Amino acid sequence: QKEVEQNSGPLSVPEGAIASLNCTYSDRGSQSFFWYRQYSGKSPELIMFIYSNGDKEDGRFTAQLNKASQYVSLLIRDSQPSDSATYLCAAYYGNNRLAFGKGNQVVVIP
Amino acid sequence: EAQVTQNPRYLITVTGKKLTVTCSQNMNHEYMSWYRQDPGLGLRQIYYSMNVEVTDKGDVPEGYKVSRKEKRNFPLILESPSPNQTSLYFCASSLFLGLNTGELFFGEGSRLTVL
Repeated sequence: QKEVEQNSGPLSVPEGAIASLNCTYSDRGSQSFFWYRQYSGKSPELIMFIYSNGDKEDGRFTAQLNKASQYVSLLIRDSQPSDSATYLCAAYYGNNRLAFGKGNQVVVIP
Repeated sequence: EAQVTQNPRYLITVTGKKLTVTCSQNMNHEYMSWYRQDPGLGLRQIYYSMNVEVTDKGDVPEGYKVSRKEKRNFPLILESPSPNQTSLYFCASSLFLGLNTGELFFGEGSRLTVL
C-alpha cells in the first residue's frame, strides 16, 4: 500500500504569519502531488498540484517538491483566518491511483 | 452547475440492512471513486472506476460493492452493513488522473451510522 505521511499535529499560526506543512511519500515512483483543503464538515477541494522538482507558486500558496528526499511541502503566506482548515496531501503513483495522507489541521489565530 | 451529488447525506441504519449510497456527476467525467474518511485514518479509497463497466478495488473494498452502468452514476452498495462501516463517505470524480492533472471533484459527503 502506498503511503503518504503527514505526521505533524495541529498547527497554530498567528494571522499574517507563514504556515508550513510537510508531507512525505513512500513510493519513489509517485508522479505528481496534490494539496487539498478541507473545511470542517465540508468536502476536500484542490488548492495546488505539483509534479516537477522545485517550487510552484499560486497566490499566497507555494508548493515545494523534492523527489530525491521524497517530500512535498505547502507554504501559506500571510495566513488568514479563512485558511483555518485541514490540509490533505495526496500522491498520484500511476495506474489511476491517488493516495491521501491523514491531513494536518491549521488554525490561524486572529 | 458542475457538481457531484450524493444521496443520502445522512443515514442511520442497523446491522445487516442493505443500503445504497448514490453518486451522480454532471461533468462527463471518466473517473469516479469512493472514499471513506475516519478520524485519524484520513481518506481511504474503497473502489474506483475508469469508465462504464470498468471498476477496481481500492485500499479498503471489503464489505462494499459498486457498479458503473452509466457514465454519470457510481452507486456504493453495502450488502450487509456492520458497525465498522460507520463513517463519512465521499464520492469523487475526475476527467482523468495523470501526471499533470488529477483534480478530484468531491460530493458533499454521506455520513453513515450503522447500529
